[in-house]
Amino acid sequence: GAGVSQSPSNKVTEKGKDVELRCDPISGHTALYWYRQSLGQGLEFLIYFQGNSAPDKSGLPSDRFSAERTGGSVSTLTIQRTQQEDSAVYLCASSRGTPDEQFFGPGTRLTVL
Amino acid sequence: AQTVTQSQPEMSVQEAETVTLSCTYDTSESDYYLFWYKQPPSRQMILVIRQEAYKQQNATENRFSVNFQKAAKSFSLKISDSQLGDAAMYFCASLAGGTSYGKLTFGQGTILTVHP
Repeated sequence: GAGVSQSPSNKVTEKGKDVELRCDPISGHTALYWYRQSLGQGLEFLIYFQGNSAPDKSGLPSDRFSAERTGGSVSTLTIQRTQQEDSAVYLCASSRGTPDEQFFGPGTRLTVL
Repeated sequence: AQTVTQSQPEMSVQEAETVTLSCTYDTSESDYYLFWYKQPPSRQMILVIRQEAYKQQNATENRFSVNFQKAAKSFSLKISDSQLGDAAMYFCASLAGGTSYGKLTFGQGTILTVHP
């Protein structure tokens, strides 16, 4: 079956604009994760969903970041009033449950000018 | 809290030779999992191998094997018969039990170059 998909693949935005990043997990996977990969900070956990609820939001860097998941499937990560330090690759992963292998999507490269 | 450390920013190996990538970790959990992920230039993270902490036997997947030293909190990856397609960034990661079951904690990564 299809793997994890993310859209857009690349996003260039201006400082202060809002952006939405989308993740489609593997069908049937109940757990979904967002990570951020940047040169300075490496790979960081942002948020984890089990079904539609988020038991762990500890990695969200500020209140400008939010995420939701609907129907136990698609998830959207929203960054409001983007800043240059938000520039990074945002990776989404899903798994059948926890703990289990996490399958990653190809990521969205966000560039904030 | 979990920490994962990869002390080798870059490694290189000749095609068909063997290379070992190092990883150390720290955790207060008794139940945890360890992983090696590969990230080629395409950005797609691919699971290479996993190890459950409660298993004493080292995991093996074809040319990839680990040396899991639980007391030393060490988890190295050995790649045998290296191939050009093995060139990538390799990340060591931990997944702990308790309330942290959701998230992977990654090391800084090791860039592996394979020379023909």
